[in-house]
Amino acid sequence: EAGVAQSPRYKIIEKRQSVAFWCNPISGHATLYWYQQILGQGPKLLIQFQNNGVVDDSQLPKDRFSAERLKGVDSTLKIQPAKLEDSAVYLCASSFSVSGTDTQYFGPGTRLTVL
Amino acid sequence: DQQVKQNSPSLSVQEGRISILNCDYTNSMFDYFLWYKKYPAEGPTFLISISSIKDKNEDGRFTVFLNKSAKHLSLHIVPSQPGDSAVYFCAATLSGSARQLTFGSGTQLTVLP
Repeated sequence: EAGVAQSPRYKIIEKRQSVAFWCNPISGHATLYWYQQILGQGPKLLIQFQNNGVVDDSQLPKDRFSAERLKGVDSTLKIQPAKLEDSAVYLCASSFSVSGTDTQYFGPGTRLTVL
Repeated sequence: DQQVKQNSPSLSVQEGRISILNCDYTNSMFDYFLWYKKYPAEGPTFLISISSIKDKNEDGRFTVFLNKSAKHLSLHIVPSQPGDSAVYFCAATLSGSARQLTFGSGTQLTVLP
C-alpha cells in the first residue's frame, strides 16, 4: 500500500515570495491533515479536511496561508507572502476517518526555508 | 500553552537496556494517547497508543503506561536496540475534537551499541 506522498521535499524561497505544497493521501482515506513542525517543536495542526470539506482551520494563519482539497483526494497548501517564521517542515497526514481511534499516517514532509 | 510536554529533549541508553520516555499533559479531557517515532527526513510513524480507560498497553518490546491522576504517561522500550534511535513524540487527543492530535516537543533517543 502506497503511503502519503508529498512534494516538493525541499523548498528555499525569499521572504514575501509565495510557495505551494502538494499532498496525495493514502487511497480511501477521507481525512487529511496539514501540520507545521518548527525545529525543536512537535507538529502543530494547521487544517483538517473531511473529504473536501474543512473540519477545523482555527490554527491556520488565514491572512497568508490557504489550503484546498479538491474532489476530496489531493490537497495543496499555499503560503503567500512567506515570512521568515514560516521556515518549518510541513507535514501532511491522512486517516481513514475521524471516528474512533483511526491512525494518522504521515508523509515525509516538505522542508521550507525562508531567507 | 503547551498541553503536552516532553521535558527531556534527549536520552541515551545502552543497547539491551530499558529506555523510558516520559510525557506530561495538562488537559484532563484528553482520553487517548499515542506515541509516534520519527527518523530523520521521514514523517512520524505511529508506534503505540492507549485509551484513558486503561493504564497499560503492550506491543512487543514497547509498553505504554498511563497515570491519569498524575497526568503522566511513559513509553518503555525493552530491550533497546540501535534501530530504536529516533525522535519520539507523545500525542494526545480527545473525543469530540475530530481526533485532532496535540503533540509534545519530542525526545531524541540514542541507543548506543
